[in-house]
Amino acid sequence: DAMVIQNPRYQVTQFGKPVTLSCSQTLNHNVMYWYQQKSSQAPKLLFHYYDKDFNNEADTPDNFQSRRPNTSFCFLDIRSPGLGDAAMYLCATSRVDRGDTEAFFGQGTRLTVV
Amino acid sequence: TQLLEQSPQFLSIQEGENLTVYCNSSSVFSSLQWYRQEPGEGPVLLVTVVTGGEVKKLKRLTFQFGDARKDSSLHITAAQPGDTGLYLCAGEGSTLGRLYFGRGTQLTVWP
Repeated sequence: DAMVIQNPRYQVTQFGKPVTLSCSQTLNHNVMYWYQQKSSQAPKLLFHYYDKDFNNEADTPDNFQSRRPNTSFCFLDIRSPGLGDAAMYLCATSRVDRGDTEAFFGQGTRLTVV
Repeated sequence: TQLLEQSPQFLSIQEGENLTVYCNSSSVFSSLQWYRQEPGEGPVLLVTVVTGGEVKKLKRLTFQFGDARKDSSLHITAAQPGDTGLYLCAGEGSTLGRLYFGRGTQLTVWP
């Protein structure tokens, strides 16, 4: 019954080797988010899509890109992963009603860079 | 960036004790949400508070939204080991759909 599905759960990549993380949703929500979470820290918003509109956070490195080919899918591309990019990456969705943004999260992808 | 400050950052208590965690900001939010996250999992929504002064109860958990809609608190009565986890507050930023998280309070409840 998973509604936000992230694949894979664990990803190991080499330093500098491009990697793509995927997220799909069955909720038909119009907003999709990517967060980076490091140990004992808050989830940090990287970017979000409001429908097809892409919203990048000012401090998100250029190394991180995203694609949303349709409502259900969203991808996070890390062009040249560094050791500092090792983290849990969380995808979330929301429907965004007026004054009420409730986010539904996937289980996350734990990225290791070697 | 609209910052959400959570306190305390860490809390370690015995089973049966009560506790309160706080989420504060200098910004006004249209709503605030509380999530609980377990290790290796994504956050799970506990509650959304929308109206200033609102109080919501979820079994042993009581959530309050400040009158000015800048802060919120979570009170747990008679904590249990199953309450252990990272408690996060989140608020929507000035751009519709932009959801920011506080740093979280890591709660450990010992049997």
